[in-house]
Amino acid sequence: DADVTQTPRNRITKTGKRIMLECSQTKGHDRMYWYRQDPGLGLRLIYYSFDVKDINKGEISDGYSVSRQAQAKFSLSLESAIPNQTALYFCATRGRRNTEAFFGQGTRLTVV
Amino acid sequence: TQLLKQSPQFLSIQEGENLTVYCNSSSVFSSLQWYRQEPGEGPVLLVTVVTGGEVKKLKRLTFQFGDARKDSSLHITAAQTGDTGLYLCAGGDSNYQLIWGAGTKLIIKP
Repeated sequence: DADVTQTPRNRITKTGKRIMLECSQTKGHDRMYWYRQDPGLGLRLIYYSFDVKDINKGEISDGYSVSRQAQAKFSLSLESAIPNQTALYFCATRGRRNTEAFFGQGTRLTVV
Repeated sequence: TQLLKQSPQFLSIQEGENLTVYCNSSSVFSSLQWYRQEPGEGPVLLVTVVTGGEVKKLKRLTFQFGDARKDSSLHITAAQTGDTGLYLCAGGDSNYQLIWGAGTKLIIKP
């Protein structure tokens, strides 16, 4: 099984719909992250969490919300999806200090 | 705001050639990581460098961290088709966050 699992892998949704992307990890890490990736823009941080009670906004949090249900689970919600939220979304975990980031396989979201 | 600029954005070369890609910033980082991402997958760590001037080798890949810890380079010798992918650099800041570059898309033609 993968260390970081994202569901769904692909999703097409309509403008205005609410959608949730889920992430679970088996690394035992406290730190979890949600990124979106667009061509030519790299990985942009949406939200991050250092533990279950700690949620922080990233550089592009508007239009998104998150929930840290447990150490191993971190979900991302789009309350009312819009077409410019069409992107590839990644969940990642990381240990403390200068450690490796482990990524899920990504969710390709299309908002029509 | 700390920024990491990667160059070139896109590189297409023939198998067997050598290449270098760069990751530059005006900010100092505590560490610098290089990742490779293949289509349909998340980025996977290649190397972490933490000391100014550090050089690490991973088979045909050579990574260097600048003396001032503001820049890094990745050199590939005798590129192979399996090296095709998106190469991302990420700098570790004082809050142990990762600052990401936009990536270099590398295509190695047979």
